[in-house]
Amino acid sequence: DTAVSQTPKYLVTQMGNDKSIKCEQNLGHDTMYWYKQDSKKFLKIMFSYNNKELIINETVPNRFSPKSPDKAHLNLHINSLELGDSAVYFCASSLNPGTGELFFGEGSRLTVL
Amino acid sequence: DAKTTQPPSMDCAEGRAANLPCNHSTISGNEYVYWYRQIHSQGPQYIIHGLKNNETNEMASLIITEDRKSSTLILPHATLRDTAVYYCIVRVGSGNTGKLIFGQGTTLQVKP
Repeated sequence: DTAVSQTPKYLVTQMGNDKSIKCEQNLGHDTMYWYKQDSKKFLKIMFSYNNKELIINETVPNRFSPKSPDKAHLNLHINSLELGDSAVYFCASSLNPGTGELFFGEGSRLTVL
Repeated sequence: DAKTTQPPSMDCAEGRAANLPCNHSTISGNEYVYWYRQIHSQGPQYIIHGLKNNETNEMASLIITEDRKSSTLILPHATLRDTAVYYCIVRVGSGNTGKLIFGQGTTLQVKP
């Protein structure tokens, strides 16, 4: 029973398209995150939500729009995809926003052609 | 930017202790040190964290120097499955807006 699950695992699309990645956690956690890992393997935080409210928003283009319909779900929608958006996107959750003990999903590899 | 510096790679013999060093000389008094690892093609996995005192759990031990400017993660009996990238992270900020800023990590290769 996967704790943090992301779909799809792989996504290949053309420049200019719009795509979404979904994330669900069954741990009962209050806080969820999106991280991006680029080709050089650097992991960078993008967003953090606590109980459906945005609490961390790093310098991310407006084309990226997170949505949290409830505290168990955090989806990432990307408009007008660019080549540089190609990366692995990781969703994570934590019990609350004050802890650094995060549970990560397996990642969603996005390839923009 | 990450507040930590780690060697890019290390080797360890299977069954031996793996000692992974980390420098965090600019750490602030209330910032915790976290360790994660990422096995190839998987998501990062939490290992351990600490503030001042040494910590131990079922996975590893964390030794933090008295001045808190460096720490060492110890895997007591490394196995081939411990081959991974190990990240030492200072959680910057505090409370609800604290963040994990990942650096480049140390690639640990456990050899038979």
